[in-house]
Amino acid sequence: DTGVSQNPRHKITKRGQNVTFRCDPISEHNRLYWYRQTLGQGPEFLTYFQNEAQLEKSRLLSDRFSAERPKGSFSTLEIQRTEQGDSAMYLCASSLEGQATTDTQYFGPGTRLTVL
Amino acid sequence: QKEVEQNSGPLSVPEGAIASLNCTYSDRGSQSFFWYRQYSGKSPELIMSIYSNGDKEDGRFTAQLNKASQYVSLLIRDSQPSDSATYLCAVKRGSTLGRLYFGRGTQLTVWP
Repeated sequence: DTGVSQNPRHKITKRGQNVTFRCDPISEHNRLYWYRQTLGQGPEFLTYFQNEAQLEKSRLLSDRFSAERPKGSFSTLEIQRTEQGDSAMYLCASSLEGQATTDTQYFGPGTRLTVL
Repeated sequence: QKEVEQNSGPLSVPEGAIASLNCTYSDRGSQSFFWYRQYSGKSPELIMSIYSNGDKEDGRFTAQLNKASQYVSLLIRDSQPSDSATYLCAVKRGSTLGRLYFGRGTQLTVWP
């Protein structure tokens, strides 16, 4: 059973460029989450999918951010017109819907974004 | 008031000691509580989950939950240098679908 995978692991971009990150959840997990973490802070929720439906979005997710999960498997997070304030670790997590004891979120290794 | 608050660190304990990490949360409807460990530059790794009042033990780790006091704690017995990391408390509210609310984390150092 492989864990959550994320690509790329690191991304350096110039301000104003667009970037896209990919997350592949644990294979049987139908829920997928995106979080953002900056230095010295805990992860902050961005958005959440159940299967292919995006069920919840944080107010942190400005109109420059968009996330998709077209077939209910992998997900992409795109940031348009990046700003220096977007520099952070972007974390993906997945879980299996069901009882509270199974809806535990497991995190991928993250994508570290640096905007110059 | 923040959703989840953790005791300010950093926390430093000698090898073999008990490390005590604390967390309070604001929403009384919260149902699920998690402790994650995060090494520097790495992603969070689940240590414990707890859903009912009382204690839950797993090896050297014990999670304690008191919903009346809105308080969660993690005890690490026989602390090892390899336990040195940031410990994140996370809470799932009853009113939200799936998101976790995280505290800022407590940095723990276990010195030999």
